[in-house]
Amino acid sequence: QKEVEQDPGPLSVPEGAIVSLNCTYSNSAFQYFMWYRQYSRKGPELLMYTYSSGNKEDGRFTAQVDKSSKYISLFIRDSQPSDSATYLCAMSGNTGGFKTIFGAGTRLFVKA
Amino acid sequence: DTGVSQNPRHKITKRGQNVTFRCDPISEHNRLYWYRQTLGQGPEFLTYFQNEAQLEKSRLLSDRFSAERPKGSFSTLEIQRTEQGDSAMYLCASSLSGDRNIQYFGAGTRLSVL
Repeated sequence: QKEVEQDPGPLSVPEGAIVSLNCTYSNSAFQYFMWYRQYSRKGPELLMYTYSSGNKEDGRFTAQVDKSSKYISLFIRDSQPSDSATYLCAMSGNTGGFKTIFGAGTRLFVKA
Repeated sequence: DTGVSQNPRHKITKRGQNVTFRCDPISEHNRLYWYRQTLGQGPEFLTYFQNEAQLEKSRLLSDRFSAERPKGSFSTLEIQRTEQGDSAMYLCASSLSGDRNIQYFGAGTRLSVL
């Protein structure tokens, strides 16, 4: 079993839809939770960062962390074709140099 | 440009050849990470440096792989006797200790071993 599980999709939605992306994890030592966006043949770009449990909102993006369920989510409101990309969840603890473990990524397509 | 820079962007080599990649982190960042990413997968941790010290290596990093960060600034990743299974995107990231370890990634070096 992988430490971080993420549905690879693809997920296809119409423009303007609310998108929900999720990951589950098994290591209770994870304390830092990130979402990265990766366009084709580019490096990952940090979108959201959350410490421990709770919600964080930034524009059209909302990240949620539920440590009791070992479950994290990213919501995208009013999705745009430019949001079409692969979304990677990532997490780390506070030891070992904060080694980061990534999910496999979910490919998202937003249709105009 | 103050982002993480990686060179070359793409490397094509024949099996058995040696290759070296370079990463220039964000200038004030003291931590530097190497990851490998294959198609349809997330980045997998290879190794990381704090300043010039290599503090952790993944079991994915076979003895054909070596990484250095001689002056605590740029880093190189060398793969000796390349194999077709080494074909992947090699990503470098940097972070500043004490800054919640937010890692910023470069665009990566795509290696194709023929």
